[in-house]
Amino acid sequence: AQTVTQSQPEMSVQEAETVTLSCTYDTSESDYYLFWYKQPPSRQMILVIRQEAYKQQNATENRFSVNFQKAAKSFSLKISDSQLGDAAMYFCAYRSGSQGGSEKLVFGKGTKLTVNP
Amino acid sequence: EAGVAQSPRYKIIEKRQSVAFWCNPISGHATLYWYQQILGQGPKLLIQFQNNGVVDDSQLPKDRFSAERLKGVDSTLKIQPAKLEDSAVYLCASSPLFREQFFGPGTRLTVL
Repeated sequence: AQTVTQSQPEMSVQEAETVTLSCTYDTSESDYYLFWYKQPPSRQMILVIRQEAYKQQNATENRFSVNFQKAAKSFSLKISDSQLGDAAMYFCAYRSGSQGGSEKLVFGKGTKLTVNP
Repeated sequence: EAGVAQSPRYKIIEKRQSVAFWCNPISGHATLYWYQQILGQGPKLLIQFQNNGVVDDSQLPKDRFSAERLKGVDSTLKIQPAKLEDSAVYLCASSPLFREQFFGPGTRLTVL
């Protein structure tokens, strides 16, 4: 079974600074997807960024980028120029790439990010 | 485009009572998911529907939980009887086939 581990229960960053959230995962599959989701206090989960395992290039979405190390099974999220609105729980998630079966997301326990003004 | 709708947003019941949650996915999304998120943890899949068929219910406690998706659109998740450990946020998500999942606001259940 696949597992996702987020070793940082809480992180804090000063506004306009950069912060990196860590995630490691365990799988025997070669085809899969990795995601970072943001969950603000209102609870609605929002997709931040996704990475296909077959792509070597790290995904980037505006101020958000990932460092995907497939051999090390590591998938960290970097937030640049942090804003007050970035404060939320961040979840790392894994999904199998095999089609025809379960498309469930396997989540880590989350990292609570605080942004200080 | 309207998002995933869920109701109620909050529910408080006593143990051994029954409760039902409703989800309306984004129009045209074939796949619907119910996740359980216990405080301090990430969401865990309870059941996945593709159209009105069940794809994965391996983590659904079938002795007390049931779910249905009539006509491949709306879905209802029921718990009967509820236990204290069922206190959690129940999230519904939907997606087109093999695409990203969009989540609803969730229903916070408290079992006393």
